[in-house]
Amino acid sequence: AQRVTQPEKLLSVFKGAPVELKCNYSYSGSPELFWYVQYSRQRLQLLLRHISRESIKGFTADLNKGETSFHLKKPFAQEEDSAMYYCALGNQAGTALIFGKGTTLSVSS
Amino acid sequence: DVKVTQSSRYLVKRTGEKVFLECVQDMDHENMFWYRQDPGLGLRLIYFSYDVKMKEKGDIPEGYSVSREKKERFSLILESASTNQTSMYLCASRPSGNNEQFFGPGTRLTVL
Repeated sequence: AQRVTQPEKLLSVFKGAPVELKCNYSYSGSPELFWYVQYSRQRLQLLLRHISRESIKGFTADLNKGETSFHLKKPFAQEEDSAMYYCALGNQAGTALIFGKGTTLSVSS
Repeated sequence: DVKVTQSSRYLVKRTGEKVFLECVQDMDHENMFWYRQDPGLGLRLIYFSYDVKMKEKGDIPEGYSVSREKKERFSLILESASTNQTSMYLCASRPSGNNEQFFGPGTRLTVL
């Protein structure tokens, strides 16, 4: 079964601290992984996708097929990073994305 | 820039009413989706459509139906609204051959 697990509902860190939002997936084929972010009162938007291998707003995520993980990392958190983050899995059939339950990141000074 | 719009930002309805949620995208995307977003449950897929007049059930289709008469428009219908359908409803679209989805701003529906 295809599944995305985000084990943390809430992650609270101080400004300047490193951040790691965990994401594990279950999929037997070749996965495509995404991180979406939703800032307060804004629409859900794409943050990263694993095939682009780029850093957005200081965030990076590496697909680890051995551990079936796609953790989101940032070395120094900023207050404006506070948001809801969703990990999502796309399949080869190209149907709907499967989303995790989301992690709320709270960055305080 | 892809634009996905939803007809209402906030909606309040009474139990038993028929409710229509409209979604329009302007980028000629073949695929459109309806999700509901609830705290602690993430996004759950209600229905999706990969072409005009085509629809597929998602994970939680009970109590909902959809309509796609034109490529740019995907409607979600609650035939008889119930209080457990109080939620945030998100519409999304994507082109064929690309898994990236683009989301609308959401409609917060309250059923009293």
